[in-house]
Amino acid sequence: AQSVTQLDSQVPVFEEAPVELRCNYSSSVSVYLFWYVQYPNQGLQLLLKYLSGSTLVKGINGFEAEFNKSQTSFHLRKPSVHISDTAEYFCAVSDRYNFNKFYFGSGTKLNVKP
Amino acid sequence: IAGITQAPTSQILAAGRRMTLRCTQDMRHNAMYWYRQDLGLGLRLIHYSNTAGTTGKGEVPDGYSVSRANTDDFPLTLASAVPSQTSVYFCASSQSPGTVYNEQFFGPGTRLTVL
Repeated sequence: AQSVTQLDSQVPVFEEAPVELRCNYSSSVSVYLFWYVQYPNQGLQLLLKYLSGSTLVKGINGFEAEFNKSQTSFHLRKPSVHISDTAEYFCAVSDRYNFNKFYFGSGTKLNVKP
Repeated sequence: IAGITQAPTSQILAAGRRMTLRCTQDMRHNAMYWYRQDLGLGLRLIHYSNTAGTTGKGEVPDGYSVSRANTDDFPLTLASAVPSQTSVYFCASSQSPGTVYNEQFFGPGTRLTVL
C-alpha cells in the first residue's frame, strides 16, 4: 500500500516570498503523483501532475514540483506567492498498477500574509 | 457547465437514520469515487467504481454502500448513520483510471453532521 507524508501541517509565509511544500511518499512500485489545492469550502482542484518524463513539472498559478525518485519526494514550489494562494494543498499518489486508489496526504495549509 | 454536482450541500442527521448522498457527473467519465475528509487525515477513499455496473471498496468502506446503475450517477448510502460518520464527503471522477487520463475531478462536497 502507498502512503503520503506532508511534513508541514501549516506554512506561514509573507506575500512575494518563495515557498516550498514538502511531500514524501512510500511505494514499492511506479507511481503517478499529484498536487491538489483546496480553497475554503470548495472541492479539490488539480495543480499539477507527474506521470513520466521530465522530473520538473509545471502547473497552474505559477506552481511547479520536482519528482525525486531516489528521495521518494515530490515537493511543490512557487518562487513568489500571492495572498490568493492561501489555501490547503494536498499531495496524492496513485499506484500505476492498482490505479483505482489514490492516497492523499493530510494536507498543508498555506497562509500568505501581507 | 460541465462537472460534478453533489447534493445536499450540507445535512444534519440523527444517529440511526438512513441517508443517501447524491453525486452526478456530466463529463462521461468512466470512474467515480467517494472520499471523506476529516481534519488532519486528508482524504480517505470510501468506495469507487471503474465503470457502470461495478464497484469496489476503498480504505474506509464500513458503514457505507454505493451503486453505479449508469455512467453519470454514483450515490453513497449510509444505512444507519453514526456520529463517527460526521465528515465532509467528496465525490470525484476520472476519465480513464490506469492511463495518463487518471486525474480526478472533484465535486464541491457535502458536509454531514450526525448527532
